[in-house]
Amino acid sequence: DIQMTQSPSTLSASVGDRVTITCRASQSIGNSLAWYQQQPGKAPKLLLSDVSTLEGGFSSRFSGSGSGTEFTLTISSLQPDDFATYYCQHYDSYSLSTFGQGTKVEIK
Amino acid sequence: QVQLVQSGAEVKKPGSSVKISCETSGYPFTSHTVAWVRQAPGQGLEFVGQILPLFDSLKYAQRFQGRVTITAGASTVYMELSSLTSEDTAVYYCARVFTKYNYGQAQYFYMDVWGTGTTVTVSS
Repeated sequence: DIQMTQSPSTLSASVGDRVTITCRASQSIGNSLAWYQQQPGKAPKLLLSDVSTLEGGFSSRFSGSGSGTEFTLTISSLQPDDFATYYCQHYDSYSLSTFGQGTKVEIK
Repeated sequence: QVQLVQSGAEVKKPGSSVKISCETSGYPFTSHTVAWVRQAPGQGLEFVGQILPLFDSLKYAQRFQGRVTITAGASTVYMELSSLTSEDTAVYYCARVFTKYNYGQAQYFYMDVWGTGTTVTVSS
């Protein structure tokens, strides 16, 4: 199965900061990548699909980019509601879904 | 709107089995895949398995093969996990996997709607 590796595991930042989370795949996955946001004690929510398609209900300060094996999630100006854990996920029809290990964005 | 409602928390003894449910509504049940994902305390998300009710098509993660059974009924998906150990203590989420069809072949995409989770505690 394809392995997904996120970095960093924890990120300390302040409101207003620009933050970037990286997700690397063990082999090329094209654009079959999603990002999820999970608030403490809640179910994950789909944030971005197909690398960069933003889900309704999320601010345009969230953006995704990349292709092949390296992908990034960027939050342009961190807001209080954005302190959460973010997961990348590879999906396709020929192998199993795999998640990155998560990146916790915490208040500095 | 699309909703996934999960059954309540379970407490089980080591060696026993647990069966939890995920009742879906708001979309054509048979057309989209439903996956199970678990999250141990303080840990990340782990794919367990999935079912596409239209074809009864199943996929299980290797580490759960032989211990997990996912089935589908009327708008409800079930996951049964046997031979429980303390390492199975986790929140189990069901999630709809957005599914498209290309010449009759299913293509699996992202998990666009999630249930609220079912806590399974395994303790003697």
